[in-house]
Amino acid sequence: GENVEQHPSTLSVQEGDSAVIKCTYSDSASNYFPWYKQELGKGPQLIIDIRSNVGEKKDQRIAVTLNKTAKHFSLHITETQPEDSAVYFCAASNTGRRALTFGSGTRLQVQP
Amino acid sequence: NAGVTQTPKFQVLKTGQSMTLQCAQDMNHNSMYWYRQDPGMGLRLIYYSASEGTTDKGEVPNGYNVSRLNKREFSLRLESAAPSQTSVYFCASSAVGETQYFGPGTRLLVL
Repeated sequence: GENVEQHPSTLSVQEGDSAVIKCTYSDSASNYFPWYKQELGKGPQLIIDIRSNVGEKKDQRIAVTLNKTAKHFSLHITETQPEDSAVYFCAASNTGRRALTFGSGTRLQVQP
Repeated sequence: NAGVTQTPKFQVLKTGQSMTLQCAQDMNHNSMYWYRQDPGMGLRLIYYSASEGTTDKGEVPNGYNVSRLNKREFSLRLESAAPSQTSVYFCASSAVGETQYFGPGTRLLVL
């Protein structure tokens, strides 16, 4: 089955700096890669996703890049703000498998 | 439009007790899922239902049963709770092949 590895497990940045979280996946058939943000005591919320026919996608301060050859995808947050502090999860799936396989999460702390 | 709702929010059980976690969605999604979240392990799939009337095992199904009651509702049952089932349980739903939307979770403690 699919295996998703996520790094780093914790990340601390100063407000205004950029943050990068990286994930690798094992199943070459995976074609959908969402990123979720989870705040304390809440369920995960989708922040951005990318499909395998696209190499990069941006939404304001957030961007995701995908390297299918290397089976890597990354989340980039620019101009970080204290409200970006949360746990971020990457995930992967394919049409046939339907369900998501999650990485282990990255706790991002943005210092004011 | 409430999205995905889960009940209860919190539950404490004694070993051997049974309980059912309820999940409902109002987005007319075909697919529904149950995940558990443990510290440092992300979310792991317990069971999913691709459409009304079908259910399939996920990564960690042992000790659980599910029922897809209708298109809106998908319940998770623990027949004989064990301390290893202490976790946070999330329900999610999606249109086929599309984004999964998660509920707020049920926090379960088994003593």
